[in-house]
Amino acid sequence: EAQVTQNPRYLITVTGKKLTVTCSQNMNHEYMSWYRQDPGLGLRQIYYSMNVEVTDKGDVPEGYKVSRKEKRNFPLILESPSPNQTSLYFCASSSQGRTTAFFGQGTRLTVV
Amino acid sequence: SQQGEEDPQALSIQEGENATMNCSYKTSINNLQWYRQNSGRGLVHLILIRSNEREKHSGRLRVTLDTSKKSSSLLITASRAADTASYFCATALASGGYQKVTFGTGTKLQVIP
Repeated sequence: EAQVTQNPRYLITVTGKKLTVTCSQNMNHEYMSWYRQDPGLGLRQIYYSMNVEVTDKGDVPEGYKVSRKEKRNFPLILESPSPNQTSLYFCASSSQGRTTAFFGQGTRLTVV
Repeated sequence: SQQGEEDPQALSIQEGENATMNCSYKTSINNLQWYRQNSGRGLVHLILIRSNEREKHSGRLRVTLDTSKKSSSLLITASRAADTASYFCATALASGGYQKVTFGTGTKLQVIP
């Protein structure tokens, strides 16, 4: 089954404790993105990747890092999480030349 | 930012009625898409309309696009309780070899049985 898998689904952590949210897709898509969703603000892009080893900042990249060492994986790293990063995070992938995105089920992160 | 803005923010209708949601955006686009999100879940793609198209249908969905007004509408006909969800428009524009997709703030639709 074609899917984008994020882990974990839920995470509560403390300020400053490094964490990684994993994202994996099995559709051989070139493009992958991370979004955060906050009430009243819709989805905002954090980082995106056009292919292996090619990443770029989205609209709200501050406080986040990503890597794309393999085509299928695109982890989101929070080196020092802060409470303002409490949000619902989505990973998405799409194939080159197409904009239709496939989304993961989301990771609800709470930073206390 | 070319972020779309949906209107209304929330909509409550009776089952069987039609639901219309609107999206406005700010810059030129290559295409516009509509997505659906059930509460707390990932977004699911519904329909895509290209910038040179004016109307598109898919089942009970009808999408229109007016590039001169930079607006789109999504019509769901004969709504069902299962249509209860948030609906987002997303605009796509080529930027440096990449099609950047920007999402709007969403319309929360409640269909009352």
